[in-house]
Amino acid sequence: QKEVEQNSGPLSVPEGAIASLNCTYSDRVSQSFFWYRQYSGKSPELIMSIYSNGDKEDGRFTAQLNKASQYVSLLIRDSQPSDSATYLCAGTGANSKLTFGKGITLSVRP
Amino acid sequence: DTEVTQTPKHLVMGMTNKKSLKCEQHMGHRAMYWYKQKAKKPPELMFVYSYEKLSINESVPSRFSPECPNSSLLNLHLHALQPEDSALYLCASRIAGTVQETQYFGPGTRLLVL
Repeated sequence: QKEVEQNSGPLSVPEGAIASLNCTYSDRVSQSFFWYRQYSGKSPELIMSIYSNGDKEDGRFTAQLNKASQYVSLLIRDSQPSDSATYLCAGTGANSKLTFGKGITLSVRP
Repeated sequence: DTEVTQTPKHLVMGMTNKKSLKCEQHMGHRAMYWYKQKAKKPPELMFVYSYEKLSINESVPSRFSPECPNSSLLNLHLHALQPEDSALYLCASRIAGTVQETQYFGPGTRLLVL
């Protein structure tokens, strides 16, 4: 099993819909989890971080962590065309090394 | 302020050239990172410096040489690169206290090797 796995995508949703991005992880990256957004040609920008089981909300974004299922997700409510980007799921293990999933490209249709 | 700066923004170099990439942060972070990112791929870790000491080298070819002169500055020296080394080079930093800390990325240097 790869350490961090994301759905291959791409994902397309209409404007105003909820976009659901999912990620699974192995035991080696089970400490902390991060969702980064990356626009084409730009560097990754942190959207959300989550360390404990449950939900964490910040504006239109909700991160969910389920350690029993080794599953982390990002929900984007009221999706906007400006949310169109690649979303990278990442986790850290005991050595603090950040391991990325391969990313999923989200397209929000006006 | 969570700013990591990188210079230059773009770099074109020949295979016989020597050049350097620079990364700077003034957030008091003590862990700094170099990543390489190819198109449509996630960032790939190259080097980690922790308290100005090289702690991780991900088996990077010796044509890439990192340097951490002080706690705010990270350099990547480039020599005899190959065209396949063309990529976006990202610097990142974090506080270096716990595994829960965020890594903050700089804007990157877009490198083209001819």
